[in-house]
Amino acid sequence: EAGVAQSPRYKIIEKRQSVAFWCNPISGHATLYWYQQILGQGPKLLIQFQNNGVVDDSQLPKDRFSAERLKGVDSTLKIQPAKLEDSAVYLCASSLIFGGSYGYTFGSGTRLTVV
Amino acid sequence: QKEVEQNSGPLSVPEGAIASLNCTYSDRGSQSFFWYRQYSGKSPELIMSIYSNGDKEDGRFTAQLNKASQYVSLLIRDSQPSDSATYLCAGGSRSGAGSYQLTFGKGTKLSVIP
Repeated sequence: EAGVAQSPRYKIIEKRQSVAFWCNPISGHATLYWYQQILGQGPKLLIQFQNNGVVDDSQLPKDRFSAERLKGVDSTLKIQPAKLEDSAVYLCASSLIFGGSYGYTFGSGTRLTVV
Repeated sequence: QKEVEQNSGPLSVPEGAIASLNCTYSDRGSQSFFWYRQYSGKSPELIMSIYSNGDKEDGRFTAQLNKASQYVSLLIRDSQPSDSATYLCAGGSRSGAGSYQLTFGKGTKLSVIP
């Protein structure tokens, strides 16, 4: 079974620029999560999708972050404009069952550096 | 606010010893708990899950859960240098919308000294 695919692996941008990250979940996984992990901290949930609908985006900074999951498969997370404090690893995860008490599988992440 | 607390470490143990990692959580609604291992520069990897009070063993790993004390632990027996990593504790619970989410602690850095 192929894992969660993410790209790019690394990105360096200047503050106030925009950036987009892509995620393709494990085939058949209906639930997709985007997490932000700042260096030295645990992952923090940004947004959760069930199929192509948003289930929870309460911790997403909506003035600069946006995400979509058209067609209920792959997803894109965008930051516009970026700030220095957005430097982090952005992790995508997916799970098979909505509402099920399972751990989920992370992709390899995108490391963003804002300078 | 759901919180998961871990001692950030570093925790240093000699090779072959037992490493003990601890975690407390604030949300009594949490039903499931997970331990992830994260090597430097890599993404978290699920190594253990536990849902009921008591112990759960898998190879050299034992997870322990005490819901009354809101406490989760991970024991690693016969620690190896390859176990050196950051260990993340996560609690699973339902959001207000009924969706299932994991809340992570900051992680404990473990160093196994040869």
